[in-house]
Amino acid sequence: NAGVTQTPKFQVLKTGQSMTLQCAQDMNHEYMSWYRQDPGMGLRLIHYSVGAGITDQGEVPNGYNVSRSTTEDFPLRLLSAAPSQTSVYFCASNSRTGRNEQYFGPGTRLTVT
Amino acid sequence: QKEVEQDPGPLSVPEGAIVSLNCTYSNSAFQYFMWYRQYSRKGPELLMYTYSSGNKEDGRFTAQVDKSSKYISLFIRDSQPSDSATYLCAMSDFAQGGSEKLVFGKGTKLTVNP
Repeated sequence: NAGVTQTPKFQVLKTGQSMTLQCAQDMNHEYMSWYRQDPGMGLRLIHYSVGAGITDQGEVPNGYNVSRSTTEDFPLRLLSAAPSQTSVYFCASNSRTGRNEQYFGPGTRLTVT
Repeated sequence: QKEVEQDPGPLSVPEGAIVSLNCTYSNSAFQYFMWYRQYSRKGPELLMYTYSSGNKEDGRFTAQVDKSSKYISLFIRDSQPSDSATYLCAMSDFAQGGSEKLVFGKGTKLTVNP
């Protein structure tokens, strides 16, 4: 099993550009989440999904969109990048029976100039 | 008041020391308590998971939960340089409309010096 994979590992964007961060898991987990991690702020939940076709907002959803068309994939879209979105982004997944045991991907380091 | 408070450190100890990491929380509905370990430039990985109050031991690691004081701890015995990482506490209450929201502390950076 590859677990949770994220692409790209690094990305530099200019203000106003859009992009999609990819996340995939091969553990057949129902639940998937996106977090951002900033110095001094810890991990903050952006969006999450409890199954294909179902998504909901987390603590900091503004400026981000998600969709979940398959169990495996949960992409995060930045609509119009802003410097405040410079961060490290982590995707995580967990099963319905292991609801507290989240498996994290390796992260995407995003810089917006 | 933040839901979960965790001293960010940094904490530096000599090899072999006993390390104590702590979090306090304000939401009395939290029932599930986790500790994640995050190495530099990596994603967090689950280290320990406890439900409600009590102790749980796994090798050199012991997790304690005191719900009456809203206080959780992670103890590392015989600490090793390989334990150098950031430790994040996390907690949840699945009574919140079925959402899957873990609330994380900000993490404590630990360095174990050889």
